[in-house]
Amino acid sequence: AQKVTQAQTEISVVEKEDVTLDCVYETRDTTYYLFWYKQPPSGELVFLIRRNSFDEQNEISGRYSWNFQKSTSSFNFTITASQVVDSAVYFCALSEPSGSARQLTFGSGTQLTVLP
Amino acid sequence: DAGVTQGPTHLIKARGQHVTLRCSPISGHKSVSWYQQVLGQGPQFIFQYYEKEERGRGNFPDRFSARQFPNYSSELNVNALLLGDSALYLCASSEYSNQPQHFGDGTRLSIL
Repeated sequence: AQKVTQAQTEISVVEKEDVTLDCVYETRDTTYYLFWYKQPPSGELVFLIRRNSFDEQNEISGRYSWNFQKSTSSFNFTITASQVVDSAVYFCALSEPSGSARQLTFGSGTQLTVLP
Repeated sequence: DAGVTQGPTHLIKARGQHVTLRCSPISGHKSVSWYQQVLGQGPQFIFQYYEKEERGRGNFPDRFSARQFPNYSSELNVNALLLGDSALYLCASSEYSNQPQHFGDGTRLSIL
């Protein structure tokens, strides 16, 4: 069975600090996708990134970067120079690409608070 | 372009009643999925529909049912509501079932 663990329940940082959100996953599949979503107080889940299990290249998008390490089954997310608007709950998720349903298995989320 | 739209925004129901939640996917998206998010937890998968056929079902009782219409919109039905059904119900759509899912704002269901 798939499982996603986000051990950090809450993180609080001061604006402009860098912060890393951890994600560890379990799956028996060799082919899968990993995702990060942001959930602001409004409730909508905002898609941030999708990674294929065969692509271990790290990715950078503006202040966001992702470190995918298959050897440790981790897919960590770093925000550089954090801003107050980054305050939200962040979810890591795992999806099997094969089979009849592409359901997402989410972690329990990390509440990030960026203080001014 | 309009995103995923869900209605209503908030519902209050009594135990034992029935509820219908609605979802309109992004234009061109043929896959719709439903998730339940209990306060303080990550979303849990309920159903996925693609081209009007059920493609997957999560670990939810038969009180939960759904369908997808020819225009790809979808309904989630929950019968015999229990207090534990109180949650945010999220709908997500994608062009195909293996593409990133885009979520709506959700319907917050409160059971009294």
